[in-house]
Amino acid sequence: GAVVSQHPSRVICKSGTSVKIECRSLDFQATTMFWYRQFPKQSLMLMATSNEGSKATYEQGVEKDKFLINHASLTLSTLTVTSAHPEDSSFYICSAWASGSYNEQFFGPGTRLTVL
Amino acid sequence: GQQLNQSPQSMFIQEGEDVSMNCTSSSIFNTWLWYKQEPGEGPVLLIALYKAGELTSNGRLTAQFGITRKDSFLNISASIPSDVGIYFCAGVYNQGGKLIFGQGTELSVKP
Repeated sequence: GAVVSQHPSRVICKSGTSVKIECRSLDFQATTMFWYRQFPKQSLMLMATSNEGSKATYEQGVEKDKFLINHASLTLSTLTVTSAHPEDSSFYICSAWASGSYNEQFFGPGTRLTVL
Repeated sequence: GQQLNQSPQSMFIQEGEDVSMNCTSSSIFNTWLWYKQEPGEGPVLLIALYKAGELTSNGRLTAQFGITRKDSFLNISASIPSDVGIYFCAGVYNQGGKLIFGQGTELSVKP
């Protein structure tokens, strides 16, 4: 299957700082990427849909000014958690829909964010 | 957000036993996907189903797309310890669209 990478794999930051997470499709072009958040023992919750060259579409209840998403190229989307607080600590996972594939989404390995 | 109804929530089985889990929805989907997630990792796609009634196998895994397009099941035969993990079903309405996830089934296999 197609490969999606995320960087960093884990990050610890102080409260009030901003953190950027990168999501890359390594061997295919991704017109659409998705950002999820997952708490322990829970399912994945979609935060936003990121389309290359246009503004992201956020799910209800997700603050777009706090979770900034940029999808500048067909292989890279970034999620920036601005002014992070301890309640933002979570596992963030991206996925990418491969152009031309039917309906298969491929997930990155996730980023563990801990805000002190 | 919207979720599918996935059951059971957890399973504790003996190595060698068969496993079955399923997902149901009040709405129809055009695609059903089954993923496995291990601790600290992202979900890995196991099986994708595209047509109502479709039955697809991947090694010891078999999944079916319900004829009503509102349900799907996943079977694992002759379980082994490395099958341990959380299995998620996901439905997709339209091509390139967002996934709707089930709550997950946590599988534990006792050697």
